[in-house]
Amino acid sequence: GAVVSQHPSWVICKSGTSVKIECRSLDFQATTMFWYRQFPKQSLMLMATSNEGSKATYEQGVEKDKFLINHASLTLSTLTVTSAHPEDSSFYICSARWLAGEEQYFGPGTRLTVT
Amino acid sequence: AQTVTQSQPEMSVQEAETVTLSCTYDTSESDYYLFWYKQPPSRQMILVIRQEAYKQQNATENRFSVNFQKAAKSFSLKISDSQLGDAAMYFCAYRRTSGTYKYIFGTGTRLKVLA
Repeated sequence: GAVVSQHPSWVICKSGTSVKIECRSLDFQATTMFWYRQFPKQSLMLMATSNEGSKATYEQGVEKDKFLINHASLTLSTLTVTSAHPEDSSFYICSARWLAGEEQYFGPGTRLTVT
Repeated sequence: AQTVTQSQPEMSVQEAETVTLSCTYDTSESDYYLFWYKQPPSRQMILVIRQEAYKQQNATENRFSVNFQKAAKSFSLKISDSQLGDAAMYFCAYRRTSGTYKYIFGTGTRLKVLA
């Protein structure tokens, strides 16, 4: 149980375009979802926290207009990278927890390459 | 603000031997959760072990155990009978028992297992 999926697993896009990454909880209702960014050989950096039906809370330094997060249902959250640039290339990981859950369950990640 | 420190960027262990990964943290909270996550080359985050601060007994999961020293704010992970499949990045994480439930991750320790 407690499976989180991400789609796509790898995406290549051209500079200036937008790309959407989906995060789904497959067997539980995710009241809270988290989006992380991970650079090579580094730790996970939290970008934002989203609760179902509410606006996401972004961490300091994260551009909310560039990284649009939508948590429209209890099983789906999306991260849209708008007007992507090569410096947005990274590994993006989502996680989810259910109400009263003690831990986060992580998706397998999405590798974004902007050319 | 809470912080998590992993002072060992890299560790090596001989197969079948025991290794201990260090983690220290700083918090003014009295109750919280601590976690060890494993990130293999696939980059899927896998929960290794979890400790609740109010529990004095150290958590154990098969070959994995922790040494939780609350007063010293130390949370080390011991891996016994190391196996080749244990090779991965290991991240220590902290979260409060209330609020946003977000994790604070350490910088990680890369574990190499030598055959």
